[in-house]
Amino acid sequence: QQQVKQSPQSLIVQKGGISIINCAYENTAFDYFPWYQQFPGKGPALLIAIRPDVSEKKEGRFTISFNKSAKQFSLHIMDSQPGDSATYFCAANQAGTALIFGKGTTLSVSS
Amino acid sequence: SAVISQKPSRDICQRGTSLTIQCQVDSQVTMMFWYRQQPGQSLTLIATANQGSEATYESGFVIDKFPISRPNLTFSTLTVSNMSPEDSSIYLCSVGVWGAGTEAFFGQGTRLTVV
Repeated sequence: QQQVKQSPQSLIVQKGGISIINCAYENTAFDYFPWYQQFPGKGPALLIAIRPDVSEKKEGRFTISFNKSAKQFSLHIMDSQPGDSATYFCAANQAGTALIFGKGTTLSVSS
Repeated sequence: SAVISQKPSRDICQRGTSLTIQCQVDSQVTMMFWYRQQPGQSLTLIATANQGSEATYESGFVIDKFPISRPNLTFSTLTVSNMSPEDSSIYLCSVGVWGAGTEAFFGQGTRLTVV
């Protein structure tokens, strides 16, 4: 499977701070880059996604930044809240294929 | 989007036995995927299941161990056969919805513990 490399493995952020998670991919044919949020005991839930024709997408406090030339994309969580504490996975695929996931980042937002 | 119901939600099984996990989708979908998530780990693709054809397995996964059925466009099953403690994981059903790229939606998963 083509790799998607995610960092950091864990992240501690104070309430109100900015959480930043980074991912890098190898396959230039990938054309869809989602982020999933997973709480303990639950399945992953789609949080936000981007396609390579845009460099940034914002939904509420969540923003994806995409750098096609560097083959990197990142998730920014503004004004992080304790309720954001979860595991976040980046993923990527090309049309018609399964998603390839990064290893995940465990985010803890301290109050 | 798609709503996915997965059964059972959890089970504790004896080694050497088999468990069949069911995945029901509320709409017809072409692509269904089965993933495994080992404790504290990421999601690893087991196989792609398309209706009317044999499932396509990823490296490290074989049909004898993880047989999959896909009888129609809304349903699939994954069987974990001859289980060992190493099979203790969360098994997740996912469906792909066509667009540019494939948006994937997940069921809640089946938490399997093999003792």
